Amino acid sequence: EDQVTQSPEALRLQEGESSSLNCSYTVSGLRGLFWYRQDPGKGPEFLFTLYSAGEEKEKERLKATLTKKESFLHITAPKPEDSATYLCAVRASGTYKYIFGTGTRLKVLA
Amino acid sequence: NAGVTQTPKFQVLKTGQSMTLQCAQDMNHEYMSWYRQDPGMGLRLIHYSVGAGITDQGEVPNGYNVSRSTTEDFPLRLLSAAPSQTSVYFCASSLAGGTTYEQYFGPGTRLTVT
Repeated sequence: EDQVTQSPEALRLQEGESSSLNCSYTVSGLRGLFWYRQDPGKGPEFLFTLYSAGEEKEKERLKATLTKKESFLHITAPKPEDSATYLCAVRASGTYKYIFGTGTRLKVLA
Repeated sequence: NAGVTQTPKFQVLKTGQSMTLQCAQDMNHEYMSWYRQDPGMGLRLIHYSVGAGITDQGEVPNGYNVSRSTTEDFPLRLLSAAPSQTSVYFCASSLAGGTTYEQYFGPGTRLTVT
């Protein structure tokens, strides 16, 4: 069964304290792995798509990496405005269904 | 472009009432989907569509109906609302094929069933 597990559930960082969020997945053939940011009361906002192991993508203080079993979202020198819930999702080959993890709630303290 | 729009933003229903949540996109995306988001459960797929006239069930389809008569619109119908359907509902769209198919989400509808 296709499955996505995110850890930790919640993370508190001081401003400037770099860290990583983890997304472990089990899927029968990966078509794509997606990272989203969700602010309270809003819809998820697309960040990155990763397609194959070894791929990396960057955007400002965020960098997403992918292996055959997991993806990491690295946050370098975070700022309070990076506080949000970060969601990971996968789409398996041969299907149009996206499976989401339960997210990591990130709080960056000034 | 407005992207993905959803109406209403908030809705309160009594048990047994029916209603339709509206979703529209202006990006000419073939794929559209509905999710519900509950605390601790993440986003769960209700129904999806890969084009006009084509729909399929997701993980939690019971109690919901969909149809897709146009590329732009994908309404979600609650047939007889139950308290278990209290949730936040998100509509999303993407390209169905090609090399990029990240989903773009609407702002959500917060539904309370009493």
